[in-house]
Amino acid sequence: AQSVSQHNHHVILSEAASLELGCNYSYGGTVNLFWYVQYPGQHLQLLLKYFSGDPLVKGIKGFEAEFIKSKFSFNLRKPSVQWSDTAEYFCAVNRGYSSASKIIFGSGTRLSIRP
Amino acid sequence: GAGVSQSPRYKVAKRGQDVALRCDPISGHVSLFWYQQALGQGPEFLTYFQNEAQLDKSGLPSDRFFAERPEGSVSTLKIQRTQQEDSAVYLCASSPRGTGFDEAFFGQGTRLTVV
Repeated sequence: AQSVSQHNHHVILSEAASLELGCNYSYGGTVNLFWYVQYPGQHLQLLLKYFSGDPLVKGIKGFEAEFIKSKFSFNLRKPSVQWSDTAEYFCAVNRGYSSASKIIFGSGTRLSIRP
Repeated sequence: GAGVSQSPRYKVAKRGQDVALRCDPISGHVSLFWYQQALGQGPEFLTYFQNEAQLDKSGLPSDRFFAERPEGSVSTLKIQRTQQEDSAVYLCASSPRGTGFDEAFFGQGTRLTVV
């Protein structure tokens, strides 16, 4: 069965620190990979996605993620975080075919930024 | 509307009561998903529609859960004889096409509390 593991439950950083959130998935086939973010009081929204091609993907607000197929990983990074990045971050995966399929989410990482 | 709309935002039900949760997807979106999110967890897949066809209901936890999308737009998730373990946020998401590459647009969710 497909699954997604996020290693950190809660990360606390100071402003301007660098961020890396871990994500590993388990799935025996081609996958599409996503990072979603949920800001306090708001709905889930897409940060970035990977389907194919360059394994380094750039998203909104300065975030990027790297797909490493051999490690089944899709870690999220940002070189310098801001207070406004305080949110819950979810890694997600679905089958990498053209037809739609369920998106499997990890349990999330809560990011707190100290001003 | 501009986004996915869910109603009600909050629902308190007595144990054993039936509830119906509504989702208005973005106009014209082909795919519609329902997810259940328990406190401190990531969204768990319940079911998926492509237009009016329910293509995957593998995540519905029991036969007390039923979803429909009769005209391929608005969807209703019904829970019969609610139990305390049904307490969660129920999320609806839609995407424009029936492909796995699309971003899923989420609503704010309905928070169900069973007392």
